[in-house]
Amino acid sequence: GENVEQHPSTLSVQEGDSAVIKCTYSDSASNYFPWYKQELGKRPQLIIDIRSNVGEKKDQRIAVTLNKTAKHFSLHITETQPEDSAVYFCAAGGGFKTIFGAGTRLFVKA
Amino acid sequence: DAGVIQSPRHEVTEMGQEVTLRCKPISGHNSLFWYRQTMMRGLELLIYFNNNVPIDDSGMPEDRFSAKMPNASFSTLKIQPSEPRDSAVYFCASSLVGQGGVVEYFGPGTRLTVL
Repeated sequence: GENVEQHPSTLSVQEGDSAVIKCTYSDSASNYFPWYKQELGKRPQLIIDIRSNVGEKKDQRIAVTLNKTAKHFSLHITETQPEDSAVYFCAAGGGFKTIFGAGTRLFVKA
Repeated sequence: DAGVIQSPRHEVTEMGQEVTLRCKPISGHNSLFWYRQTMMRGLELLIYFNNNVPIDDSGMPEDRFSAKMPNASFSTLKIQPSEPRDSAVYFCASSLVGQGGVVEYFGPGTRLTVL
């Protein structure tokens, strides 16, 4: 069935360093790849997304890349700050629903 | 826009009791999703509706769980009878399918504790 794998499950970085989270998906029909950030006790919220006709997208310190051939996509956060600490979910969608990865817990140490 | 509204925000109940969670999607959205989140199992999709019709309920854990969407602005998730292992945060999300993507907007969640 449809599946999204996300790595690593936990990531700890020093403030100012970069963080990279990687995902793979199984459904070749997927054409939409959002990333959600969930702070402790809060709801998941969309931070950036990319569509299958684009290989890379950037928004300030956040960038996403997509390799449709390999079915890989990644989130890159540069110059990390303590407020980036949260759980990040990748997802793959197409049609009605979105399949979420298991999440990556990011710790940014000050 | 008020966003997705869920009620109650917190629910504490005893095993065996019926629990009803409520959701009001964003006005104009045509799809609604119910998720359950736990530390052990992460974010699980339970069921989703499109134009008020259930499309896929394969994520509903067992017959004790049921969901309805009587109209475009209201949905319920019912657990009867509830069990301690149902304790989790339940999120409702809505989206507007048909614009080339399925951005899902999550509600604040209902934290359910079954004693």
